[in-house]
Amino acid sequence: ILNVEQSPQSLHVQEGDSTNFTCSFPSSNFYALHWYRWETAKSPEALFVMTLNGDEKKKGRISATLNTKEGYSYLYIKGSQPEDSATYLCACLNYGGSQGNLIFGKGTKLSVKP
Amino acid sequence: DTAVSQTPKYLVTQMGNDKSIKCEQNLGHDTMYWYKQDSKKFLKIMFSYNNKELIINETVPNRFSPKSPDKAHLNLHINSLELGDSAVYFCASSQDQPLRGPTDTQYFGPGTRLTVL
Repeated sequence: ILNVEQSPQSLHVQEGDSTNFTCSFPSSNFYALHWYRWETAKSPEALFVMTLNGDEKKKGRISATLNTKEGYSYLYIKGSQPEDSATYLCACLNYGGSQGNLIFGKGTKLSVKP
Repeated sequence: DTAVSQTPKYLVTQMGNDKSIKCEQNLGHDTMYWYKQDSKKFLKIMFSYNNKELIINETVPNRFSPKSPDKAHLNLHINSLELGDSAVYFCASSQDQPLRGPTDTQYFGPGTRLTVL
């Protein structure tokens, strides 16, 4: 069974701060890495999907990078705003023993204070 | 229009009862899923169906039985409910199975909060 680890578990920042958090996953038989944004009382919504080593994706002030050889992805938020407050989930898809589905981490809960 | 809808949103019931949660997607996707969000807020896959056929069946008690009457619907029936079944259950859908469509986004429903008393 794969382990997808996210750190930190929670993060409190001030409005305007830039921040980043980490997703670690098994690098063997890697296929894809998904990032989701999950606001309280809502459903998870997709942010990025990355497959290639060195991939970088960007959406507004949020960006992500991928290192498949060492098994990690970083999510960056530049100039955090209160509306960025949410739990950020990463999910990994691997060949073989991954049950053929995304394996989710526990998420990083971001709180941005005005 | 809601892409992935679930009913009911809240379900409170007694131990031992049988209950169902319904899920519908209007995205034309071939694959649907049921996830359980446990007490530690972890999203865990329970079942996955592709074109009405079961493709993933995790180590879930056989009191849980999914049913897919067509590819737009995936319902979850739970027999003999136990206290430990209390959780939030999320339905999701994607265009194809993950290993065939690894970049396919999964779209989630709003969740059903099940409380077993």
